[in-house]
Amino acid sequence: QKEVEQDPGPLSVPEGAIVSLNCTYSNSAFQYFMWYRQYSRKGPELLMYTYSSGNKEDGRFTAQVDKSSKYISLFIRDSQPSDSATYLCAMSGNTGGFKTIFGAGTRLFVKA
Amino acid sequence: EPEVTQTPSHQVTQMGQEVILRCVPISNHLYFYWYRQILGQKVEFLVSFYNNEISEKSEIFDDQFSVERPDGSNFTLKIRSTKLEDSAMYFCASRPRQGRTSSNTGELFFGEGSRLTVL
Repeated sequence: QKEVEQDPGPLSVPEGAIVSLNCTYSNSAFQYFMWYRQYSRKGPELLMYTYSSGNKEDGRFTAQVDKSSKYISLFIRDSQPSDSATYLCAMSGNTGGFKTIFGAGTRLFVKA
Repeated sequence: EPEVTQTPSHQVTQMGQEVILRCVPISNHLYFYWYRQILGQKVEFLVSFYNNEISEKSEIFDDQFSVERPDGSNFTLKIRSTKLEDSAMYFCASRPRQGRTSSNTGELFFGEGSRLTVL
């Protein structure tokens, strides 16, 4: 079983739609959960960071972490064509210098 | 806003040559990392570095790879004898000091990457 599983997509939605992205993981030691956005041939850009379980909202983005189910989600409201990118989930525990493990990334296309 | 900077942005080298990729992490960060992303594939952990030593390294990080923090600002990745399969984007990342609160201690910030092409 992979440590972090993420459906690579692609996911295509119309402008204005609510987008739901998610990841599952197997390592119960993970405590720090992140979502990154990556444009082609660019570095990952941190979108959301959550410590342990719970929800966090920032503008059109909401991150949810359910540690009991080992499941994390990112919701994008009122999606825009500029949201078209690859979204990476990432997580780490307290060991290995807080080594962060990434999912495969989901490619999102928002059509105007 | 503070950022992680990497040089060069793109390097082309011949197989067997040595390559050094350079990074300047965010100034008050204490944990440093190198990641690799082969075109079209996932971001893969290479190595973590804290307090002037390697904390953990992956299977990819074999004897051909080394890291160094030669001064107070730079963090380098050296590949001693490059292979064709080393062609990838290499990302440097850093994170703040680990504290007792959950505030921002887990956040990992990336540079724009160095694209390495081995011919």
